[in-house]
Amino acid sequence: SQQGEEDPQALSIQEGENATMNCSYKTSINNLQWYRQNSGRGLVHLILIRSNEREKHSGRLRVTLDTSKKSSSLLITASRAADTASYFCATDGLYRSQKLVFGQGTRLTINP
Amino acid sequence: DTAVSQTPKYLVTQMGNDKSIKCEQNLGHDTMYWYKQDSKKFLKIMFSYNNKELIINETVPNRFSPKSPDKAHLNLHINSLELGDSAVYFCASKEGMGKRNEQFFGPGTRLTVL
Repeated sequence: SQQGEEDPQALSIQEGENATMNCSYKTSINNLQWYRQNSGRGLVHLILIRSNEREKHSGRLRVTLDTSKKSSSLLITASRAADTASYFCATDGLYRSQKLVFGQGTRLTINP
Repeated sequence: DTAVSQTPKYLVTQMGNDKSIKCEQNLGHDTMYWYKQDSKKFLKIMFSYNNKELIINETVPNRFSPKSPDKAHLNLHINSLELGDSAVYFCASKEGMGKRNEQFFGPGTRLTVL
C-alpha cells in the first residue's frame, strides 16, 4: 500500500521565492529521504533525515521531521529555475529488507 | 562513467511479446532494485537483490522475472507483455543491507506496449 502522501501535488512559484512541500506517512520509520526527479530522468537523492532527528540542512534545502505527526517537510529557499522538477519523499520503514516506499510526488515549477 | 545505466532507454513492442531490460551499476554496491513508475508518477518497488540473492519480491505478476548474474547487474525479463505493463522502469542500487539507504537511480526505460 502507498506509504507517503505529498502535498501539494503541484506547486508553481516565482524564482527567488521559497518552496515548501509536505509529506505524510503511515507507519514507523528508520529514516525519511527526499529525492528529485527532472523530467524524463531518474531520481536523485537530496537529503536523508533519521527518525531521531527533527531538522536537517543541506545548502538551500531544509528538511523537518515530526514523527509524532508522521510528517515531513522540504523547504527550498531562494528557488531557481533549475529547481523545476518533481520531488518525492521516501520512507525507510522497519522492514528487514530496507525497502523504500515513495510518496506520489510534488511537481514544482519555478517561473522566471 | 555513468553510475547506474539501463538499456534500452526506450522500448516499444507489441502485446504478447517477451522483452528484457538490462541494468548495470559500477558503484560497487551490493543491493539493486527494480521500480515501476506509472503514468501518474507513482513509483513502486518490484524486486530487490542483495549480492545476487532475491530479498524483495512485491506483488508482481509471474510474467516478470528478475535475474542477477552478478552483483553489478540486475536484468528484468517480461513475458507476454500486456498494455498495462506500459510504464517507466527504473533500476537503482545502494551500498548494501544495514548501510545507508540512499539509493542511486538509473535513467529509466520507457516501455510502451501497443
